[in-house]
Amino acid sequence: SQQGEEDPQALSIQEGENATMNCSYKTSINNLQWYRQNSGRGLVHLILIRSNEREKHSGRLRVTLDTSKKSSSLLITASRAADTASYFCATVLRAGGFKTIFGAGTRLFVKA
Amino acid sequence: DVKVTQSSRYLVKRTGEKVFLECVQDMDHENMFWYRQDPGLGLRLIYFSYDVKMKEKGDIPEGYSVSREKKERFSLILESASTNQTSMYLCASSHSGSSTDTQYFGPGTRLTVL
Repeated sequence: SQQGEEDPQALSIQEGENATMNCSYKTSINNLQWYRQNSGRGLVHLILIRSNEREKHSGRLRVTLDTSKKSSSLLITASRAADTASYFCATVLRAGGFKTIFGAGTRLFVKA
Repeated sequence: DVKVTQSSRYLVKRTGEKVFLECVQDMDHENMFWYRQDPGLGLRLIYFSYDVKMKEKGDIPEGYSVSREKKERFSLILESASTNQTSMYLCASSHSGSSTDTQYFGPGTRLTVL
């Protein structure tokens, strides 16, 4: 299986609800990043959390990192229909230089 | 804002054809990447380049080659396209090789090989 795996694979919620997506990984990381992809488009960087950080906020986004469990979560509060997208975690690990490995993503659908 | 552009949004080619996918970034980034994206598999790295004329194999380089003659341009070449290369191809760039680098992506090229 992959270095970064998101859970769930797909999530459907009502507008206004919170959305939580999880990412688990296997090897030690330098940092973990979350990206968003709108349907049929490229990925856009959302937030980065370093391995020595436990929580980070950016607007309606909250990311946590638990290095002992090798897991991270992305919480989107008060979701909007425009949040409908796929969300990917990307782990950055040292491999010679630094290597970024993307997971398979969580597809979020926010119903208006 | 960083802009990464890809030469085509949609492309249809026949088996055996030579295919060129081009990517251009406008922020003087050192690193450029080519990924393919398939359902359930996420993004898989094909090749990357950290400087002009430099290239490194990613996780799935077989059947592909790349060219980086200028800093802003990174081309992906399918020497003889096959149906299993039908996929979404994403180009990305990043400033340098630091651990906190973020990648900037183009809109993608959806390639269909018939």
